[in-house]
Amino acid sequence: ETGVTQSPTHLIKTRGQQVTLRCSSQSGHNTVSWYQQALGQGPQFIFQYYGEEENGRGNFPPRFSGLQFPNYSSELNVNALELDDSALYLCASCNYRSSYNEQFFGPGTRLTVL
Amino acid sequence: AQSVTQLDSHVSVSEGTPVLLRCNYSSSYSPSLFWYVQHPNKGLQLLLKYTSAATLVKGINGFEAEFKKSETSFHLTKPSAHMSDAAEYFCVVTKPNNAGNMLTFGGGTRLMVKP
Repeated sequence: ETGVTQSPTHLIKTRGQQVTLRCSSQSGHNTVSWYQQALGQGPQFIFQYYGEEENGRGNFPPRFSGLQFPNYSSELNVNALELDDSALYLCASCNYRSSYNEQFFGPGTRLTVL
Repeated sequence: AQSVTQLDSHVSVSEGTPVLLRCNYSSSYSPSLFWYVQHPNKGLQLLLKYTSAATLVKGINGFEAEFKKSETSFHLTKPSAHMSDAAEYFCVVTKPNNAGNMLTFGGGTRLMVKP
């Protein structure tokens, strides 16, 4: 069974640029959620994708957007990068029909915005 | 609405002594509660979960937590700390029986284990 994978591991961008982060969900999972973890803080929910559609969103502006593909992999896109976007971005997958609420996390992509 | 407060940002214990990481939650419904652990450069790993069954929940690596509704608490304990327990721990709340729903994390507690 393959776990959740994310790419790239690290990324450095400058203010105003755009970035795309990628996530492959665990085998058998159909739902992907994205979280932002700033240094020294707990992760914050960005949004979730199920059935290739956004299924819930946290308190993040529209310049944070995503996609889910038929194979349940996902992308997180961030436009017009700001310094405060520097964080660890975590992807989590689960089976929406499971009653156990357990989400499996990837190792994350560390984004640095200069 | 839901929120989680982890009462200690850092906890330091000696190897072989008990561990107590404190968590209080706020929720407008009966929540599901979790503890996750995060080791450096690794993904978040689920330690244990409470989903309205037994109030004392046993997890991996000897950890357990007790759900106390009257105190709105879900403290994490372990009888004897091991060096490998040093990591960041997160208490998490979510709506029950709603797989894939938004997880609300606490601010985290960094556990340090001294030899």
